[in-house]
Amino acid sequence: AQSVTQPDIHITVSEGASLELRCNYSYGATPYLFWYVQSPGQGLQLLLKYFSGDTLVQGIKGFEAEFKRSQSSFNLRKPSVHWSDAAEYFCAVLEYGNKLVFGAGTILRVKS
Amino acid sequence: GAVVSQHPSRVICKSGTSVKIECRSLDFQATTMFWYRQFPKQSLMLMATSNEGSKATYEQGVEKDKFLINHASLTLSTLTVTSAHPEDSSFYICSARGRDRASSGNTIYFGEGSWLTVV
Repeated sequence: AQSVTQPDIHITVSEGASLELRCNYSYGATPYLFWYVQSPGQGLQLLLKYFSGDTLVQGIKGFEAEFKRSQSSFNLRKPSVHWSDAAEYFCAVLEYGNKLVFGAGTILRVKS
Repeated sequence: GAVVSQHPSRVICKSGTSVKIECRSLDFQATTMFWYRQFPKQSLMLMATSNEGSKATYEQGVEKDKFLINHASLTLSTLTVTSAHPEDSSFYICSARGRDRASSGNTIYFGEGSWLTVV
């Protein structure tokens, strides 16, 4: 079965600092990968996705992610974090049957 | 991007009653919708996959007689929690598979979620 690992449960960064959230997946074929963000008490918002092509994917809100097949990784990055980025971030892989398999999530705290 | 709407966003019901949550795809047709449950401080747990015009496929451990799913049209799926108990209190989120206009691939879009509190 496919799985997604987000090794960091919590991350705290200073406002204006750079951010990298880690995501590793296990999947036999070429994966369809997603990053979602969830603010407290709300649904999930799609940040970006990777299907094929350019391995560096640009998303909304200044986020980007890079697909590295050799490392089975799809890490999310942002060069300068804003206080409004504080939320929980989920990495997910689309498996057969269009089911999304989620990582456990990473809670981002931004300190001023 | 595509929009998925859930209603109600919050609902409180008495123990033993049933409550229905709606999930609508607003600007695309969704042949497949998914229902998730999220416990506090945890990730999403897939409950069932809903296909338009056919019976839902439930994940292992999910009671299909308790969580009734109907997908009567290409834009609407409903989740009915029957004979609700306090332990059913949770955050329920739906998602729908839609075709992204910017690419040839399918994307999964999520609703805003529905808080259910059973008292």
